[in-house]
Amino acid sequence: NAGVTQTPKFRILKIGQSMTLQCTQDMNHNYMYWYRQDPGMGLKLIYYSVGAGITDKGEVPNGYNVSRSTTEDFPLRLELAAPSQTSVYFCASNRGPDTEAFFGQGTRLTVV
Amino acid sequence: TQLLEQSPQFLSIQEGENLTVYCNSSSVFSSLQWYRQEPGEGPVLLVTVVTGGEVKKLKRLTFQFGDARKDSSLHITAAQPGDTGLYLCVRNSNSGYALNFGKGTSLLVTP
Repeated sequence: NAGVTQTPKFRILKIGQSMTLQCTQDMNHNYMYWYRQDPGMGLKLIYYSVGAGITDKGEVPNGYNVSRSTTEDFPLRLELAAPSQTSVYFCASNRGPDTEAFFGQGTRLTVV
Repeated sequence: TQLLEQSPQFLSIQEGENLTVYCNSSSVFSSLQWYRQEPGEGPVLLVTVVTGGEVKKLKRLTFQFGDARKDSSLHITAAQPGDTGLYLCVRNSNSGYALNFGKGTSLLVTP
């Protein structure tokens, strides 16, 4: 029972570098989400997807890009990393509105 | 973005004490979920409340949804160190496609 799997768990980037955070789920969920969580804060939505080929911006999309070529995978791309992107990133999925969301264990990213 | 206000932001109590945390909004919820997040982990669902006035119990945790569906509370009886964590209330956005989180209540229960 893998659920939602995120990789890597930790990463240190230099300013201006790029990277992709991977997220995959094996529950055949249509809805997938990327959140960031800063200290003392709740989770802020970056991007979400309601199905393969469909993505949309959340509350804080600037500096990020996503794609959804398959139901299972929802990678998050950081281009030109900035210190403001230092955060813990969570991927989540669910069947749809008002249903239980399942979260990955998170990726702790530091940009220096 | 529909704001979810959670209070208190931090709570430190001793084992055996009772506590209540609150989640409020100016707009009506279609439903509301409570999650608990332990350090280094992602949030995990505790309960979903849907009907105004609804009360759900999960062992020592009691969840209540306000009659007007604008607020919810979580009451923990005889708190234990294992209850330590960040408690988050969550609702669907107006579009229904995204989950909006409150900032959470960080609970520390000491032996």
